[in-house]
Amino acid sequence: QITLKESGPTLVKPTQTLTLTCAFSGFSLSTSGMSVGWIRQPPGKALEWLALIYWNDDKRYSPSLKSRLTITKDTSKNQVVLTMTNVDPVDTATYYCAHRNILSVTCFDYWGQGTLVTVSS
Amino acid sequence: DVVMTQTPLSLSVTPGQPASISCKSSQSLLHSDGRTYLYWYLQKPGQSPQVLIYEVSSRFSGVPDRFSGSGSGTDFTLKISRVEAEDVGVYYCMQGLHLFTFGQGTRLEIK
Repeated sequence: QITLKESGPTLVKPTQTLTLTCAFSGFSLSTSGMSVGWIRQPPGKALEWLALIYWNDDKRYSPSLKSRLTITKDTSKNQVVLTMTNVDPVDTATYYCAHRNILSVTCFDYWGQGTLVTVSS
Repeated sequence: DVVMTQTPLSLSVTPGQPASISCKSSQSLLHSDGRTYLYWYLQKPGQSPQVLIYEVSSRFSGVPDRFSGSGSGTDFTLKISRVEAEDVGVYYCMQGLHLFTFGQGTRLEIK
């Protein structure tokens, strides 16, 4: 059974760096085809994809946020970390991590519960 | 960037009646491998999104057969044959060919 859980600060000040961790189980990010993505959702708004990391350490970023995002993985700990620099109140959102297997159904098929991050001074 | 446009943005449906949501992509979602990378999600109130349909028309495991997807290229449709109370929430289409982009969402409520 695949599960994912996001963790990180609930409140961050503007201009600070946000670090979020996705802890997962039920699959290995060293297995061919596996990937983990980050998606966010501002309160009352639509979903926005942020970043994705593959089993082979290939990475993809949203073009609009690429300069501020870094995604990394720790295969031994079954964790993926997303860092976002220079946060602003518009970055206030629920942040989700999700599993994707490009050799299977290819969608984000399993999602974490999400973690709400508020950016405010 | 690929833009995903959903219509309508809201639906009010009587239980037992059908519902349909359209999703149009600004670029073709057909890959050279023959797959079309278009997905449908439902986000129920207070929950994380859950996948309903992957690659245009394949129902994800456990999804009731009243949900169906169709389309090709840039035009796609999600249909619910008979809406039930548990179908309330926001429906999103998502493309996965040109990185990833979600539609604006379609809110479905029960009359």
